[in-house]
Amino acid sequence: QLQLQESGPGLVKPSETLSLTCTVSGGSIRSSTYYWGWIRQPPGKGLEWIGSIYYSGSTYYNSSLKSRVTISVDTSKNQFSLKLTSVTAADTAVYYCAMIDTITWSIFDYWGQGTLVTVSS
Amino acid sequence: QSALTQPASVSGSPGQSITVSCTGTTSDVGSYNLVSWYQQHPGKAPKLMIYEDSKRPSGVSNRFSGSKSGNTASLTISGLQAEDEADYYCCSYAGSSILMFGGGTKLTVL
Repeated sequence: QLQLQESGPGLVKPSETLSLTCTVSGGSIRSSTYYWGWIRQPPGKGLEWIGSIYYSGSTYYNSSLKSRVTISVDTSKNQFSLKLTSVTAADTAVYYCAMIDTITWSIFDYWGQGTLVTVSS
Repeated sequence: QSALTQPASVSGSPGQSITVSCTGTTSDVGSYNLVSWYQQHPGKAPKLMIYEDSKRPSGVSNRFSGSKSGNTASLTISGLQAEDEADYYCCSYAGSSILMFGGGTKLTVL
């Protein structure tokens, strides 16, 4: 059974860089029909797609975050990562990693549990 | 990329039916048969309820159905149950490997 698990600091200072890693277990990140994505949810607010990456390294970003986001993949470790620069309090959110089916463009039960990242000094 | 538009809240009594709308544009909802709907209970990850506008994943109750007309997709829940109380999000493919979520709708079962 494929599982995803986010890891990284739960507290980041304003203006610094948020860095998270998602480890995929029970399956290979080298799939031709899935993208690996990051989605976030500020406390009490809705879901926001941040961006996605294919195992080859091709990336796709939300235009509203594109200038600050980098998503990368390490196929040798079966991991993909998120970096968000120049964070502010508005970036405080639960960050989810997920496996996106590129045929249906949906996420079928393959979400990480989510990790809360708080931006505060 | 603007979020898809959903009502902030809907409510219904047990046994009734409710519909949640999701309005996009000709660049997303109206261009692709790729709207999905997610249910999210507090503190939990979202759960896929509908994909490709109207298909149900295995294990999802047939009380949940999806439809679309033009730039507006809809999620209907029939025979409301207390356990259906949750937040619901639509999500559409918007071309070029981009996804777009709606703002979310809080369903209250009275």
